[in-house]
Amino acid sequence: KAGVTQTPRYLIKTRGQQVTLSCSPISGHRSVSWYQQTPGQGLQFLFEYFSETQRNKGNFPGRFSGRQFSNSRSEMNVSTLELGDSALYLCASSPGLASDNEQFFGPGTRLTVL
Amino acid sequence: GQQLNQSPQSMFIQEGEDVSMNCTSSSIFNTWLWYKQDPGEGPVLLIALYKAGELTSNGRLTAQFGITRKDSFLNISASIPSDVGIYFCAGQEWYQGGKLIFGQGTELSVKP
Repeated sequence: KAGVTQTPRYLIKTRGQQVTLSCSPISGHRSVSWYQQTPGQGLQFLFEYFSETQRNKGNFPGRFSGRQFSNSRSEMNVSTLELGDSALYLCASSPGLASDNEQFFGPGTRLTVL
Repeated sequence: GQQLNQSPQSMFIQEGEDVSMNCTSSSIFNTWLWYKQDPGEGPVLLIALYKAGELTSNGRLTAQFGITRKDSFLNISASIPSDVGIYFCAGQEWYQGGKLIFGQGTELSVKP
């Protein structure tokens, strides 16, 4: 079974721009969660999508948004980029069931904001 | 943001030694997960724990779900150079769906 894939792997943007990151979950998984990883704050939960609906949300500003498509692929968008948005963005896929919710991570997208 | 208290932050050990790290939380979790992350990669799931008191092994790795549901530990026996990396604990509350709360990580260095 193919693992979680994320594109692009690396991205360089300037302040004020917007960016879209993509995540393809493991086949059959219906839940996709997004995390931001920085040296200072560690791994922080952004949001989770399950069956095209946002099921849970972390404490990030509204500039961070996401969506999920009918094939479970998910995108994350960050508008009006700030320097502090530079981070490794990780997505995790899981079946999303209470009885089976182990999360498997992709390799991440390294975003650098200049 | 909310985090678990993971210790130690870093460890420098000799190949062949055993390693132990732990996580504590002020919240009760219904799931504890342990991940390893190599530089430039995403975390890789090592062990998942679902019941208080549960002890689970994966090769040389053993993890336990604390009986209070507020802590967990991970042991690595007979460490080898490829064990080098950052180990994270993550907890999940039953009503929070896919939301994982992560520890700060334990950076492990193994001297051959």
